[in-house]
Amino acid sequence: GESVGLHLPTLSVQEGDNSIINCAYSNSASDYFIWYKQESGKGPQFIIDIRSNMDKRQGQRVTVLLNKTVKHLSLQIAATQPGDSAVYFCAEKEAGTALIFGKGTTLSVSS
Amino acid sequence: DSGVTQTPKHLITATGQRVTLRCSPRSGDLSVYWYQQSLDQGLQFLIQYYNGEERAKGNILERFSAQQFPDLHSELNLSSLELGDSALYFCASSAILGPNEAYGYTFGSGTRLTVV
Repeated sequence: GESVGLHLPTLSVQEGDNSIINCAYSNSASDYFIWYKQESGKGPQFIIDIRSNMDKRQGQRVTVLLNKTVKHLSLQIAATQPGDSAVYFCAEKEAGTALIFGKGTTLSVSS
Repeated sequence: DSGVTQTPKHLITATGQRVTLRCSPRSGDLSVYWYQQSLDQGLQFLIQYYNGEERAKGNILERFSAQQFPDLHSELNLSSLELGDSALYFCASSAILGPNEAYGYTFGSGTRLTVV
């Protein structure tokens, strides 16, 4: 079946830097995308979502970009903090189906 | 606290045994989803229930089954357990299904199953 994947398994940044986490998806019928953050020992936590009729959506310190032409999704975290250290998953969803997750990118923030 | 409650938090059992994992969705959420997360893996969708009825199946083994009860809590039954079933099992809930479906899922904190 089709699935969502992430480009890099790990990303290390310095505190205060901007982080960019990338994700490629393969299901052209997906119309909804979510970024989740998972800290050790916890369940995934919703960060931000975007629908396929949008290219960009901003939240607090986070921005999601969607490029449907190349089936690419990215999460930008501004002024990364140590508390942002976690595993980040992108997930895609086609109407009427369940969320499909990628393998995740581990973000490490050093101070 | 996400509002989704999973019990137990940890479970250790022997191969060949059967266990039941329990999930109480967020108040008002009718849809429940079960996911399996193995070491260094993403979340694999197992099964979805909506208001007591099975709605979708993912990569769920025949040894596994689930149900959703009238009070909307759900149970995931894992039988004839194998070492490879050791994983984190997450439950998620969402509000409604249909044209106005709230796509964002709220996850519980998971049950860590260890099969020895």
